[in-house]
Amino acid sequence: DTAVSQTPKYLVTQMGNDKSIKCEQNLGHDTMYWYKQDSKKFLKIMFSYNNKELIINETVPNRFSPKSPDKAHLNLHINSLELGDSAVYFCASKRVPGGSYTEAFFGQGTRLTVV
Amino acid sequence: QKEVEQNSGPLSVPEGAIASLNCTYSDRGSQSFFWYRQYSGKSPELIMSIYSNGDKEDGRFTAQLNKASQYVSLLIRDSQPSDSATYLCAPGGGKLIFGTGTRLQVFP
Repeated sequence: DTAVSQTPKYLVTQMGNDKSIKCEQNLGHDTMYWYKQDSKKFLKIMFSYNNKELIINETVPNRFSPKSPDKAHLNLHINSLELGDSAVYFCASKRVPGGSYTEAFFGQGTRLTVV
Repeated sequence: QKEVEQNSGPLSVPEGAIASLNCTYSDRGSQSFFWYRQYSGKSPELIMSIYSNGDKEDGRFTAQLNKASQYVSLLIRDSQPSDSATYLCAPGGGKLIFGTGTRLQVFP
């Protein structure tokens, strides 16, 4: 069983379209994250949800909107896609009540290409 | 100052050598650190965690933490070509901010 799963794995779309990426974890974790990894490989945090509540919202265009229907799911919706949105997007989850001592688990990534 | 800083590399070492990867952080309250390895095209995976000052060894990997200097390092002994990857450090806690990562290349 995959601990953190993202769909789709690959996404090719045209500029201006709206798309969603889904993430689900079956680890019972209470905190989930979205990261963007560009061609320079920097893993930049975008959002974090704890028990369905948004706790981290980094400087990200408001075209990006996260949605957490329950603590096992965190989806990312992107409106009006731009060329600069092309990147690999990673979802991760972690158990935060463990304090500083718990590791994060990552999904396999979604490679988004905007043409 | 960035929250977590790493030398982006690439760090090139010959097979069998010791690779030394470094990370500095700004939050003095950080209690623990995690080292993740990311192969090209794959997702990050945990390889080491350290919570106390000093050294922690696990096989060929040794993590070193110095909270006074706000410095954490990862040593890889007897480096193998299969160790070629990007290594990311992150303080523990809920925010989960990563350094820029250091790309390690181990050549035969």
